[in-house]
Amino acid sequence: DAGVIQSPRHEVTEMGQEVTLRCKPISGHDYLFWYRQTMMRGLELLIYFNNNVPIDDSGMPEDRFSAKMPNASFSTLKIQPSEPRDSAVYFCASRARDRGRYEQYFGPGTRLTVT
Amino acid sequence: GQSLEQPSEVTAVEGAIVQINCTYQTSGFYGLSWYQQHDGGAPTFLSYNALDGLEETGRFSSFLSRSDSYGYLLLQELQMKDSASYFCAVLTPSGGSYIPTFGRGTSLIVHP
Repeated sequence: DAGVIQSPRHEVTEMGQEVTLRCKPISGHDYLFWYRQTMMRGLELLIYFNNNVPIDDSGMPEDRFSAKMPNASFSTLKIQPSEPRDSAVYFCASRARDRGRYEQYFGPGTRLTVT
Repeated sequence: GQSLEQPSEVTAVEGAIVQINCTYQTSGFYGLSWYQQHDGGAPTFLSYNALDGLEETGRFSSFLSRSDSYGYLLLQELQMKDSASYFCAVLTPSGGSYIPTFGRGTSLIVHP
């Protein structure tokens, strides 16, 4: 398997613009997670899905952030409008259904810079 | 909520043994995981403890004491490539499953 795929790998945009990050989880995984990583706040869980259904979005910072998972092989995280404080690395991760070690597989991340 | 504490930085020399500690405060604890992240890379899973005791995977071992709310990652025969950040993560109940909350990470620097 190719692992978790994210695009784009780098995104530079101006404040106020809409940003869409994309993720393809590992085939057969039931869970999908979106994380944000910054030096100040560490690795934060934004939202996670189980079988394409959003389960917990309490980590989404504000209404400017939204996430969707229209099918088992695709998810998006959208920021509209973007602000400089949204600059971070955004990771998508997937996990098989509950058993064993609850091991998460992370994608390579999208480095977002908002100027 | 959950809180985790781990040292921000640890340094060691090649070939040595190093221990990275993690203490946590949480409700509904289910297990403790460890992840490794190299600069510019993604976190990768290293180990998981649900029960008290030591789990060994090659040069890496992880320990858990549920009564002390404490765990550690032990790295033996250190190599330069082990220089990375190491995160502990507690698994707690959420939405019918168990979801990790990550610590701030420990930067391990291995010197020749």
